[in-house]
Amino acid sequence: TQLLEQSPQFLSIQEGENLTVYCNSSSVFSSLQWYRQEPGEGPVLLVTVVTGGEVKKLKRLTFQFGDARKDSSLHITAAQPGDTGLYLCAGVNNAGNMLTFGGGTRLMVKP
Amino acid sequence: DAGVIQSPRHEVTEMGQEVTLRCKPISGHDYLFWYRQTMMRGLELLIYFNNNVPIDDSGMPEDRFSAKMPNASFSTLKIQPSEPRDSAVYFCASSLAPTGSGETQYFGPGTRLLVL
Repeated sequence: TQLLEQSPQFLSIQEGENLTVYCNSSSVFSSLQWYRQEPGEGPVLLVTVVTGGEVKKLKRLTFQFGDARKDSSLHITAAQPGDTGLYLCAGVNNAGNMLTFGGGTRLMVKP
Repeated sequence: DAGVIQSPRHEVTEMGQEVTLRCKPISGHDYLFWYRQTMMRGLELLIYFNNNVPIDDSGMPEDRFSAKMPNASFSTLKIQPSEPRDSAVYFCASSLAPTGSGETQYFGPGTRLLVL
């Protein structure tokens, strides 16, 4: 079983601060995805990273895939209250057909 | 498109009762996934279908759980008999192609199940 550990589990910050969320595994994944989930809704895909060392930017969000494709990070610059939610990383197995989710990071951004 | 549709949105039942959760995937999507989300275990894949055929059910917790997909537009997840530890949010998701090909899984809003 491939396991993904996310840290921190909870994060409460003030509007305007920067933050980084980490997703680590001892296993190699073919690709890795980041999702954001709001209360009462299903997760929504933010980004997929495929190549080791890849960096993708989505406005104030920067995603990085580790060189060995075992870990990833999500950095948010100048966080806003609208960024509040549960952030989930998910690894795609080598067969390319299933996702293994991390435990999630619950982010609260206070105005 | 209306997205993935799940019903009911909330279900409260008593231990020992049968529970049936329903899912309508996005039209044209060949892959359908059932997940369970709890605080303790996070989001776990239970089973997935490709073209209505179950491909991997290794995540189904025990024989009390069963899933079917009689046609391309409908799937059910049944728990019989239900137990309090089955309380969770159950999500259905669908995608056009395998996730590894870069395809997105689209999640429904979930069914919040409480077994008393």
